[in-house]
Amino acid sequence: AQTVTQSQPEMSVQEAETVTLSCTYDTSESDYYLFWYKQPPSRQMILVIRQEAYKQQNATENRFSVNFQKAAKSFSLKISDSQLGDAAMYFCAYRIYTGTASKLTFGTGTRLQVTL
Amino acid sequence: DAGVTQSPTHLIKTRGQQVTLRCSPKSGHDTVSWYQQALGQGPQFIFQYYEEEERQRGNFPDRFSGHQFPNYSSELNVNALLLGDSALYLCASSFGYGEAFFGQGTRLTVV
Repeated sequence: AQTVTQSQPEMSVQEAETVTLSCTYDTSESDYYLFWYKQPPSRQMILVIRQEAYKQQNATENRFSVNFQKAAKSFSLKISDSQLGDAAMYFCAYRIYTGTASKLTFGTGTRLQVTL
Repeated sequence: DAGVTQSPTHLIKTRGQQVTLRCSPKSGHDTVSWYQQALGQGPQFIFQYYEEEERQRGNFPDRFSGHQFPNYSSELNVNALLLGDSALYLCASSFGYGEAFFGQGTRLTVV
């Protein structure tokens, strides 16, 4: 079965500190993309960062970076200099192509709380 | 650019009824996917539409059906509603296999 596991239901970080959210996945495909999405109370899924599986270099977007370990099927998200606006649900996901379509498979999410 | 818009934002239905949810994709996008997000869970893929045809379907019963119109907008229909169909329904659009952009979802409550 193709799955995404987020083992941390909730995490808390102080403002300006760094936090790492964990994610492992299982797919038999060799070509896929990995994503971290943020879902604030507004419910809209917002793309935070993306990683192509064939790229060894870890993706970085401003304060957000990933640690991609392909052999271990691990894809963690590091948030540096945390801000109050980072508080949200974070979902790890991967996308594969089936030849005719592409679909996202999501984990169960990690709720991030940011405290003063 | 209005982004992906979904209507209605909230809906309450009775068991056994039928419901139709609507999605307008982001300008320039031709592919629409639907996801169901139960409370406390991640979104689950329902199906994807391209060129008015269902490309792929997730593990959902035939009570879930969809349609895509020539202007790329899409509808999700659910027949014979069950209590377990209560969830947030998310629409995502993309240009082909490109990045998916999500709408704010429709919160469906079945009573």
